[in-house]
Amino acid sequence: TQLLEQSPQFLSIQEGENLTVYCNSSSVFSSLQWYRQEPGEGPVLLVTVVTGGEVKKLKRLTFQFGDARKDSSLHITAAQTGDTGLYLCAGEAAGNKLTFGGGTRVLVKP
Amino acid sequence: KAGVTQTPRYLIKTRGQQVTLSCSPISGHRSVSWYQQTPGQGLQFLFEYFSETQRNKGNFPGRFSGRQFSNSRSEMNVSTLELGDSALYLCASSIRGQGAGNTIYFGEGSWLTVV
Repeated sequence: TQLLEQSPQFLSIQEGENLTVYCNSSSVFSSLQWYRQEPGEGPVLLVTVVTGGEVKKLKRLTFQFGDARKDSSLHITAAQTGDTGLYLCAGEAAGNKLTFGGGTRVLVKP
Repeated sequence: KAGVTQTPRYLIKTRGQQVTLSCSPISGHRSVSWYQQTPGQGLQFLFEYFSETQRNKGNFPGRFSGRQFSNSRSEMNVSTLELGDSALYLCASSIRGQGAGNTIYFGEGSWLTVV
């Protein structure tokens, strides 16, 4: 069984601060996706990273895929209250199965 | 373009009953996947259907079943409900299926409470 561990499980910061969420595994994934889920809604895809060492930027969000394609990180610069939500990473394994991490709940306080 | 639609949004069932949840994918999407989300276990994959055939299956007991119709709409059924089945059930659709870098789109989910 391929497991994805996210850390921290919960993060509370003030608006304007930076934060980093980590997604780690002992398994290699062919791609890794990050989602954000808000209360009462389904997860929404933020980004897909495919190449080891790849860095993608989406406005204030920076996503990195580890060189060995076993881990990933999400960094948010100058967090805003609208960034509040549950952040999920999901790794694609053989057989096109997606394995989700446990999630990191982020609270950005005004 | 309408998103993924799941019905019902909320329901309460009694232990031992069975439940059927419905999912209408985005028009043109042939793959439908189902997930169970609970606070303790996170998001867990149930099964994926593509063109009416089950293509992948997660590690859930046989009480959990699903099917896909020719119009790509999908249903999942849980029989002999247990308290631990209380969860948010999410449906996701995509053009070609999960994985391979394909984008999957989630519905808002069906909240099931078993009492």
